[in-house]
Amino acid sequence: DGGITQSPKYLFRKEGQNVTLSCEQNLNHDAMYWYRQDPGQGLRLIYYSQIVNDFQKGDIAEGYSVSREKKESFPLTVTSAQKNPTAFYLCASSIQADGPNTEAFFGQGTRLTVV
Amino acid sequence: GENVEQHPSTLSVQEGDSAVIKCTYSDSASNYFPWYKQELGKGPQLIIDIRSNVGEKKDQRIAVTLNKTAKHFSLHITETQPEDSAVYFCAASADSNYQLIWGAGTKLIIKP
Repeated sequence: DGGITQSPKYLFRKEGQNVTLSCEQNLNHDAMYWYRQDPGQGLRLIYYSQIVNDFQKGDIAEGYSVSREKKESFPLTVTSAQKNPTAFYLCASSIQADGPNTEAFFGQGTRLTVV
Repeated sequence: GENVEQHPSTLSVQEGDSAVIKCTYSDSASNYFPWYKQELGKGPQLIIDIRSNVGEKKDQRIAVTLNKTAKHFSLHITETQPEDSAVYFCAASADSNYQLIWGAGTKLIIKP
């Protein structure tokens, strides 16, 4: 069953802690993305990666970090520098980074809450 | 950079009636326009998309129209059903920039 898997579904973080959100895809997609969604708002791009070992900042990268060591995996770390991390985080992938734009497939999301 | 505006933010329609959601974009180079449906607590799912070389695309009860001159595109849902209740997002992108630029979303409520 092909798809994109995010874990955990719910995550609680104490202030000052770093946490890492997992995103794995078995669709053989080149491009992967992390978005943040706040209540009643659209999706804002945090980071994206078009190829293994390469990634670029999106619109709201401050306080976040990523890695892309494998094609299938694109973990997101929310660092203590992120002042307001409570949000719904969505990971997505698309088939190729070089060529006409195509459908983005989304995971089910991780809801992060700072306690 | 590209900016996508989406209206209305909330739309309430009677079951069986039609719903129309509109988006405008600013970058004339944009050539790909997808629509996504997001159910509560889930990730968005593509429901229909259109490229700039066509003006209209239809898939059963869902259709999308594109006016390149006016730089706007619309989602049309006919014979609405309770399961159509969700948040709908439009987006736009250009081949020169592989990022999707998203509208703010429309919460569609289907009244029984």
